[in-house]
Amino acid sequence: DSGVTQTPKHLITATGQRVTLRCSPRSGDLSVYWYQQSLDQGLQFLIQYYNGEERAKGNILERFSAQQFPDLHSELNLSSLELGDSALYFCASSFGLPPYNEQFFGPGTRLTVL
Amino acid sequence: TQLLEQSPQFLSIQEGENLTVYCNSSSVFSSLQWYRQEPGEGPVLLVTVVTGGEVKKLKRLTFQFGDARKDSSLHITAAQPGDTGLYLCAGAAGSGTYKYIFGTGTRLKVLA
Repeated sequence: DSGVTQTPKHLITATGQRVTLRCSPRSGDLSVYWYQQSLDQGLQFLIQYYNGEERAKGNILERFSAQQFPDLHSELNLSSLELGDSALYFCASSFGLPPYNEQFFGPGTRLTVL
Repeated sequence: TQLLEQSPQFLSIQEGENLTVYCNSSSVFSSLQWYRQEPGEGPVLLVTVVTGGEVKKLKRLTFQFGDARKDSSLHITAAQPGDTGLYLCAGAAGSGTYKYIFGTGTRLKVLA
């Protein structure tokens, strides 16, 4: 158990819908990262927050948005969902910032868009 | 676009054999990490290498960072079925603000 929690574990929805994925970092960790893992694209970095502020952005679509709240939990919002958004979404947390910090990954949310 | 290519993509070996997984890029990374991921779970960090030429050992696993910090290798000695999983390398790219670029992955199966 990494100490990072993600809810829900599974999510099935239809195209065009909007969903929210939630992540609680390890106690004491200030950074939260979101990743998307699909069979054809591998693990892709989406976005990072540090102590409530956006710190780095990766290949995140405009239909996706995220935020980190004062209690340091984070939410990833996915809207106008398409079939291709079906994937595993991971949240990771770390105490500090890259490039030398250790990331701890949550168990992931499996999103299926029908 | 920075890419990290891993080879081989798939590897199926017998228990007791040795193997090496490679992680290559044309870009320089400030650090490189290796993870192992099991089905239905998140990746778990194995090691972080920082200095060019650095070698780290974790029991039967040996990790090396290339001199130019563009490539890395993972060598497993006397593989065991418990080593089965997806191995991912990840490089920290940037200056000031860093992003982790993950490799394409190597799926290892060790047969008893």
